[in-house]
Amino acid sequence: DSGVTQTPKHLITATGQRVTLRCSPRSGDLSVYWYQQSLDQGLQFLIQYYNGEERAKGNILERFSAQQFPDLHSELNLSSLELGDSALYFCASSFRQDWEQYFGPGTRLTVT
Amino acid sequence: GENVEQHPSTLSVQEGDSAVIKCTYSDSASNYFPWYKQELGKRPQLIIDIRSNVGEKKDQRIAVTLNKTAKHFSLHITETQPEDSAVYFCAASRPGTYKYIFGTGTRLKVLA
Repeated sequence: DSGVTQTPKHLITATGQRVTLRCSPRSGDLSVYWYQQSLDQGLQFLIQYYNGEERAKGNILERFSAQQFPDLHSELNLSSLELGDSALYFCASSFRQDWEQYFGPGTRLTVT
Repeated sequence: GENVEQHPSTLSVQEGDSAVIKCTYSDSASNYFPWYKQELGKRPQLIIDIRSNVGEKKDQRIAVTLNKTAKHFSLHITETQPEDSAVYFCAASRPGTYKYIFGTGTRLKVLA
C-alpha cells in the first residue's frame, strides 16, 4: 500500500457524460500527478499540482480539468466523455517535486 | 520533444537467469530515472531509481546503470523468480517540470 488513495475504483458511464475522479495523496506529500493508462499502453502524464498550484501540463485534453484543494486532495474532471477515454487513471504523489512519486491504486473508467 | 524509448517490449527468461531492460532518453537535461513494476491491474510500484550524479545503484537482486553521455539507462534483475513476472516501465524527469516521461514498458515473463 503506497498511502495514496483513489476513489472510485471502478466507474462505468455513457458517452457525453461527466465524471470526477478523486485522489488523496500520502500524508505530508504536497505534489499530485495524474496519469492515464489506456489498454496495453504506457503511462501518459496529464497534469501536476504542487501545494494547490498547477505546475506542469502534459497531453491533457481540453475536456479534462483538475484541481488541488487546500487539504491537498485532488480531483480530475472528465467531461463530454468519449469511448476513447476508457482507461485506468492513476494519481501519484510526492513530498517535493523532485522526489520519487508513489502511485495510487487507480480508477478504471469504462465509457460505453 | 521529450521521449523515452524502451527495449525489448517483451522478454522471457528462465527462472534463475538474468534480465536486462534498456531505455534511452532524448532530453539531456533529465536528471532522475525511476523504474516501476506493474502487475496486471495493479498500480505501478517504484522498485529502484537513480539520479544523474550516480552511475550505478544496486538493491539486492536489482541494479540500475546510467550512461549520461549516451543518454541511456538499464535495469538488471539477477536470479529471476516467477514473482518478477510483470510489466516494467522506465521513466525520466528533468528539473523544472518534474513530470515523468515513461517508456512504453517491457513485459517480463519468468518461466519456472
